[in-house]
Amino acid sequence: GAGVSQSPRYKVAKRGQDVALRCDPISGHVSLFWYQQALGQGPEFLTYFQNEAQLDKSGLPSDRFFAERPEGSVSTLKIQRTQQEDSAVYLCASSTTSGNTIYFGEGSWLTVV
Amino acid sequence: GQQLNQSPQSMFIQEGEDVSMNCTSSSIFNTWLWYKQDPGEGPVLLIALYKAGELTSNGRLTAQFGITRKDSFLNISASIPSDVGIYFCAGISNTGNQFYFGTGTSLTVIP
Repeated sequence: GAGVSQSPRYKVAKRGQDVALRCDPISGHVSLFWYQQALGQGPEFLTYFQNEAQLDKSGLPSDRFFAERPEGSVSTLKIQRTQQEDSAVYLCASSTTSGNTIYFGEGSWLTVV
Repeated sequence: GQQLNQSPQSMFIQEGEDVSMNCTSSSIFNTWLWYKQDPGEGPVLLIALYKAGELTSNGRLTAQFGITRKDSFLNISASIPSDVGIYFCAGISNTGNQFYFGTGTSLTVIP
């Protein structure tokens, strides 16, 4: 596609439920990033992939968060046993190998009730 | 996680006025980016800066990459109502995989 595509756009989950958020990066983009954005805050780094390799997952807040990109294209961010503090916008971004310009999707808005 | 210091936090201006916001970091970055985020949307790239001292324009927007590589500013001239939104700076390290955002500047333009 022309841009980074994320789904679902909106998700309401009951506390304790597992959720999976999908990201389709721009075709050919090697690098893929996940960010978490709380209301009124700037995006905070979660994890980074180069092709299928997860090179940095230092931003994942707990072991309930898991991300994968098995074929180096589509990525899934999974949150297990969701908690209310997980409510946020989850942004996916991709870039070329040089990594000097990064493009964002529209985000997946997660609300945990 | 690390976030860059961005100021001002919010601005309320009259339509037609010029706007200036800046971003500082304790770390050196190889690339500075400026994004605008509208409610319910993801950040949209406005300007990218790749060299220390670089000054780049995009329509009414002008941004500069600081000489020290630790700061950047964004100017918007002759503001219009559709400039309303939150503006974020972002810095990319030399490895290309450390990418951090500023705390954001919320801009309100009063017609």
